[in-house]
Amino acid sequence: NAGVTQTPKFQVLKTGQSMTLQCAQDMNHNSMYWYRQDPGMGLRLIYYSASEGTTDKGEVPNGYNVSRLNKREFSLRLESAAPSQTSVYFCASTEQVNQPQHFGDGTRLSIL
Amino acid sequence: RKEVEQDPGPFNVPEGATVAFNCTYSNSASQSFFWYRQDCRKEPKLLMSVYSSGNEDGRFTAQLNRASQYISLLIRDSKLSDSATYLCVVNSGGYQKVTFGTGTKLQVIP
Repeated sequence: NAGVTQTPKFQVLKTGQSMTLQCAQDMNHNSMYWYRQDPGMGLRLIYYSASEGTTDKGEVPNGYNVSRLNKREFSLRLESAAPSQTSVYFCASTEQVNQPQHFGDGTRLSIL
Repeated sequence: RKEVEQDPGPFNVPEGATVAFNCTYSNSASQSFFWYRQDCRKEPKLLMSVYSSGNEDGRFTAQLNRASQYISLLIRDSKLSDSATYLCVVNSGGYQKVTFGTGTKLQVIP
């Protein structure tokens, strides 16, 4: 059971570079989320997709874009990376909003 | 007041001990509640949902106190493998209203 798969696991970027974080789930969940986790701050929602074809901003969307490619896949793009975006990024999915979320194992991103 | 608050710990307890964590929330309209565990540098994993009547899963017991607006997690007979950070999650309705606590760190000592 793969669950939620994120790629890459680690990435180092230079300021100003762009990249896309990939996320795929095989649980046929409707909703998908992108979070970042920084020390002492807990998980913060960047963007979410309630269902295929929809995306909405979360708490900290600035500097990011997302694409819900199909029901399985939800990608996060950094157009021009900044050192403040150094973080651990988690993708999650859930069947319905009141159900628990299932997480991928994260992408550790460092921006120099 | 923060939406969800947890004592960061660490809670250092000997093997076999019983330990309890609380998590307070500010929105009285909160609808669903969960406990997750997160190991160092790993993803959060669902430990258990929290139901209004309280629920138990093996050595773990979760309770909800709506009047005082907190949830609790009780761990009995602590194991070394229980060492982790425990996150509470509160959903106040809607995709943008799922709030994660910053976690309580538990260290079980031999």
